[in-house]
Amino acid sequence: GDSVTQMEGPVTLSEEAFLTINCTYTATGYPSLFWYVQYPGEGLQLLLKATKADDKGSNKGFEATYRKETTSFHLEKGSVQVSDSAVYFCALRTNTGKLIFGQGTTLQVKP
Amino acid sequence: EAGVAQSPRYKIIEKRQSVAFWCNPISGHATLYWYQQILGQGPKLLIQFQNNGVVDDSQLPKDRFSAERLKGVDSTLKIQPAKLEDSAVYLCASSSLRRVKYEQYFGPGTRLTVT
Repeated sequence: GDSVTQMEGPVTLSEEAFLTINCTYTATGYPSLFWYVQYPGEGLQLLLKATKADDKGSNKGFEATYRKETTSFHLEKGSVQVSDSAVYFCALRTNTGKLIFGQGTTLQVKP
Repeated sequence: EAGVAQSPRYKIIEKRQSVAFWCNPISGHATLYWYQQILGQGPKLLIQFQNNGVVDDSQLPKDRFSAERLKGVDSTLKIQPAKLEDSAVYLCASSSLRRVKYEQYFGPGTRLTVT
């Protein structure tokens, strides 16, 4: 069945460091791909998305490119801030609308 | 536009008791989802409704969990009887069939602790 695998956390970085969180997926067909973020004490928020191969999603300095050949959707940011500390979830959406999530990666950014 | 509303926000019960959660989706959203998020894991879909009908309930433990969506608007998720492993955050989400199809908006969740 469809699945999403994310890199294990926690990831601890200093402010202004470069961030990469790896995400790979297994799916039949060509699902839409998403990154969601969960800040401490808050609900899930959509961070960015890509709906077809080679699409790049971007928001708030974060980017991810839909790579069909490597079945990947890695999240990157050039310079992280303390306020980016959160849990990040990679997800795919099936053709019925169901979201399948990875296990989440905790990011901690230190000043 | 008001977001997805859920209540209660927190609930503590003892095992073998019953509990119910309520969700009010964004106005006009035909599709409603209930997800279970166990600590340290990603959310897992329990049940998906489109209007009044069930689209997917393949991962709903039907011996103890039930859900309904009356009149295609609000929804209630019930657990009876609860087990320790049901401790989790229960997330409700909704999406439109028209604007950006299937783009899901999540509520704040209900945190359930079973002791």
